[in-house]
Amino acid sequence: NAGVMQNPRHLVRRRGQEARLRCSPMKGHSHVYWYRQLPEEGLKFMVYLQKENIIDESGMPKERFSAEFPKEGPSILRIQQVVRGDSAAYFCASSPLGGHQYFGPGTRLTVT
Amino acid sequence: AQSVSQHNHHVILSEAASLELGCNYSYGGTVNLFWYVQYPGQHLQLLLKYFSGDPLVKGIKGFEAEFIKSKFSFNLRKPSVQWSDTAEYFCAVNLNNAGNMLTFGGGTRLMVKP
Repeated sequence: NAGVMQNPRHLVRRRGQEARLRCSPMKGHSHVYWYRQLPEEGLKFMVYLQKENIIDESGMPKERFSAEFPKEGPSILRIQQVVRGDSAAYFCASSPLGGHQYFGPGTRLTVT
Repeated sequence: AQSVSQHNHHVILSEAASLELGCNYSYGGTVNLFWYVQYPGQHLQLLLKYFSGDPLVKGIKGFEAEFIKSKFSFNLRKPSVQWSDTAEYFCAVNLNNAGNMLTFGGGTRLMVKP
């Protein structure tokens, strides 16, 4: 059973470009979570999604960030017009209903 | 808002030393508690979790944690660390009525000297 997969593992973008981060949950998991880890800090919750639904986006910045989990395919975290402060590790986790979260390896975003 | 504090940011120990990492949370309701470990270059893995029942929880690799409700604490312990325990350790809390959102502490970097 493959774990949570994220790609790319490393992403470099120039200021103003768009970043797209992908997350494929574990087989059988219908819930996806995105967390951000800034340098020297712990993980901060961003958004919680089920298939085709955003359940909780209380941790998402109000502008430039969006997330989706379509009926088919991976969950996507999209950051428009990236700025240096977006440089961080972005972790995805998945869980079955009521279960605990399994984390992916993360995507390290560097904005130059 | 709930918060999780890990007071030790960096810990250096020699092999065979005993380990205790502190974790305190700030919420008076019912919580679920977790410890995750992140080995160098790897993703977060669950060490142990507490939902209810016996407050002393045993996890993988010889780790255990004790939930002390009166102190809002969930400290992680291991009687004798190994070099392979070098990693970053994160405490996390989930409120029973807040979906599955996890609130993480800032992490503790443990270095075990051989």
